[in-house]
Amino acid sequence: KAGVTQTPRYLIKTRGQQVTLSCSPISGHRSVSWYQQTPGQGLQFLFEYFSETQRNKGNFPGRFSGRQFSNSRSEMNVSTLELGDSALYLCASSLADRGRRNTEAFFGQGTRLTVV
Amino acid sequence: EDQVTQSPEALRLQEGESSSLNCSYTVSGLRGLFWYRQDPGKGPEFLFTLYSAGEEKEKERLKATLTKKESFLHITAPKPEDSATYLCAVRGFRDDKIIFGKGTRLHILP
Repeated sequence: KAGVTQTPRYLIKTRGQQVTLSCSPISGHRSVSWYQQTPGQGLQFLFEYFSETQRNKGNFPGRFSGRQFSNSRSEMNVSTLELGDSALYLCASSLADRGRRNTEAFFGQGTRLTVV
Repeated sequence: EDQVTQSPEALRLQEGESSSLNCSYTVSGLRGLFWYRQDPGKGPEFLFTLYSAGEEKEKERLKATLTKKESFLHITAPKPEDSATYLCAVRGFRDDKIIFGKGTRLHILP
């Protein structure tokens, strides 16, 4: 079955602009999480959406926001871009039911964002 | 807050030289501990989920084990194609989000 799809793969933006990234999860997965990956900080959790509701949030400023649609597709938005926002943004989907199993997440290939 | 620490940061091995990667964690009620492999410029690839102490899982040359405080990823007779960054992550019942360690960069020399 198809994996997690992220678009676009690469983006170059200017400081002060805003950007929207898209993620289509694996069919049947209702949870979508977003991560920022940089060489120094590793993978940092941004937020998780489940059934169109934000279920969890990391320690990022309010410039980072997201949403999830009824078909489980998700978008992430970053406003007023800063140079430090340059990173690989990864989306992951999971079944994420409340039981003990099926908790692993499957990742897309990421969107490489460069802010100049 | 849930935390994951991986060691070593980097490891160079000769082809065929077995070794282990360490993942120490603190979590409030473990829902799952995960191992991923990541190649440069790509998203992490899921390898294993471990749920409780004493559990072990194997895939080809990789074997993951779990105790109440740490997990090991054992690599037996590695090949150059096993070179990658290996990431450990946990999901706890309280915070209920997947938290990653910074990874171990593994380089297998032919």
